[in-house]
Amino acid sequence: AQSVTQLDSQVPVFEEAPVELRCNYSSSVSVYLFWYVQYPNQGLQLLLKYLSGSTLVESINGFEAEFNKSQTSFHLRKPSVHISDTAEYFCAVSGGDDKIIFGKGTRLHILP
Amino acid sequence: KAGVTQTPRYLIKTRGQQVTLSCSPISGHRSVSWYQQTPGQGLQFLFEYFSETQRNKGNFPGRFSGRQFSNSRSEMNVSTLELGDSALYLCASSLAGQSGYTFGSGTRLTVV
Repeated sequence: AQSVTQLDSQVPVFEEAPVELRCNYSSSVSVYLFWYVQYPNQGLQLLLKYLSGSTLVESINGFEAEFNKSQTSFHLRKPSVHISDTAEYFCAVSGGDDKIIFGKGTRLHILP
Repeated sequence: KAGVTQTPRYLIKTRGQQVTLSCSPISGHRSVSWYQQTPGQGLQFLFEYFSETQRNKGNFPGRFSGRQFSNSRSEMNVSTLELGDSALYLCASSLAGQSGYTFGSGTRLTVV
């Protein structure tokens, strides 16, 4: 069985500052890893995913995440955040059986 | 192409009633999953259907049920509603597990 732990429930950060949202997972099988973003009153949107190959994956809006197998982590980073990045971010893991398990989410607050 | 469509968007029901929620996946997606999202518990997996068969099931009571039709549309039913069933119910469709999910905007159910 897989599980996901997002270490911070809320992260405040000043606009244009860097941010890291932490995610650790546990699984007995090879995994696929995902980050989703949820804006207020909306569903979740896929931000980026790791399936195999390069351990560093990037999204089109400047976020990146690095798969670290030895530390079972998949932290999300952005070098400079904008007010529009205010949202809740969910880390998720799948063992390939089409069942995706989500973490409890991290609320990113951008301070002016 | 059209995204995942969930209807209705909002619903208010009384304790003891039953409710049916609908989800139309992206054309060509045969896997449909349902999640319950609440502030306290986060995103919890309800069940996943593939080609009209339930493939995965979460830890919810039997009051929660679902089905999938031959056109991949899915419905979720909750019987004997309780106050604690108030939540955002999210549907997601997938081409394959490793491609990630595409979520609908959700149905917000309020039980009074």
